[in-house]
Amino acid sequence: EPEVTQTPSHQVTQMGQEVILRCVPISNHLYFYWYRQILGQKVEFLVSFYNNEISEKSEIFDDQFSVERPDGSNFTLKIRSTKLEDSAMYFCASSATGGSGNTIYFGEGSWLTVV
Amino acid sequence: GESVGLHLPTLSVQEGDNSIINCAYSNSASDYFIWYKQESGKGPQFIIDIRSNMDKRQGQRVTVLLNKTVKHLSLQIAATQPGDSAVYFCAEIFSGGYNKLIFGAGTRLAVHP
Repeated sequence: EPEVTQTPSHQVTQMGQEVILRCVPISNHLYFYWYRQILGQKVEFLVSFYNNEISEKSEIFDDQFSVERPDGSNFTLKIRSTKLEDSAMYFCASSATGGSGNTIYFGEGSWLTVV
Repeated sequence: GESVGLHLPTLSVQEGDNSIINCAYSNSASDYFIWYKQESGKGPQFIIDIRSNMDKRQGQRVTVLLNKTVKHLSLQIAATQPGDSAVYFCAEIFSGGYNKLIFGAGTRLAVHP
């Protein structure tokens, strides 16, 4: 079964450092997303991406965050200057089309620890 | 406001029993609802979904019920197995929300042999 893959599975970084989390969405999917989950809390929407541009972003997704689809297969989340509160599990997701009723598939997540 | 919440944070059941996990939502503009299962250290796994024009949808051992009158969603798992132990999240999508999922807080299901 096709799946969303993410790397790294776990990254530890110093506060203030830049981090790039990588994702390979399901190959025929057109919509891509990043969500995050702080330990013990619910999953929160960060950003959606379609046709090489951001469709929607949450309040969490401030100027420190950016997304990119550098080639035909990868989708990345960059945090420019990490803060302690950025420590969380970051999930990439994708769906074939947009709109309600289209299943969103999640990757296994990248656990980011900022020290 | 925009919120999806859960009544019970933890549910313990005996293996073989049926489980019911409940969820309340507050946005009447939501038109699509999904249940996800999350095992420890893993990403949310799609279980079943339902559109707002339906009241009930059945899958393999799972049934989702939607009551729009009271804005309530439930997930029923028949003959619960140890492998069903996980955190279950309901999520909603607002009409026109670009597939932006709003997740509830989660309910932990613990299945005892």
